[in-house]
Amino acid sequence: DTGVSQNPRHKITKRGQNVTFRCDPISEHNRLYWYRQTLGQGPEFLTYFQNEAQLEKSRLLSDRFSAERPKGSFSTLEIQRTEQGDSAMYLCASSLASGTANYGYTFGSGTRLTVV
Amino acid sequence: TQLLEQSPQFLSIQEGENLTVYCNSSSVFSSLQWYRQEPGEGPVLLVTVVTGGEVKKLKRLTFQFGDARKDSSLHITAAQPGDTGLYLCAGRTTSGTYKYIFGTGTRLKVLA
Repeated sequence: DTGVSQNPRHKITKRGQNVTFRCDPISEHNRLYWYRQTLGQGPEFLTYFQNEAQLEKSRLLSDRFSAERPKGSFSTLEIQRTEQGDSAMYLCASSLASGTANYGYTFGSGTRLTVV
Repeated sequence: TQLLEQSPQFLSIQEGENLTVYCNSSSVFSSLQWYRQEPGEGPVLLVTVVTGGEVKKLKRLTFQFGDARKDSSLHITAAQPGDTGLYLCAGRTTSGTYKYIFGTGTRLKVLA
């Protein structure tokens, strides 16, 4: 297994366009998380899935953002009508969930979005 | 509202010096993790602590979880240039969620 894979690594888009990012988690991991990180800050939680179910979504997340995880494998994060404030690194992480055990995240290398 | 505050924000030290990074909150955490992140990459997990007062060592790094599970520290002995990076703490609250909330980060630079 090559770890968590995110595509694309970089995306430049014009304001108002829609963008979609993909995350392929570690195959045996059943939890998948999306975070957003701006320069010099810690990652900010966006949403997470357990298998195909979206269990939690940040209240800070605008309705322009949507995430899916069909069949509990890869996930996509779509941003509609992008704004300059959406420019950030979008990080995906996966973990193995077993009851209340605390397994660490494995992060991907992220997708850097620049909205011009 | 930022649940986890890290201090210092920035730290620049000479190779061989010791340092401590702090992670503080008013919230109680069921577990707390430390990550290191290099530019252009995702964070990499260093350690998970779950018991109040727990101390874990990873080579020259020592992690401690506060007795009340509201704070943590990371101590690096004899820092090396390879320790340079952004250090992040992340806590999972006791509210039943499975997500971790990240701290503000400490950017460490170790000069040769």
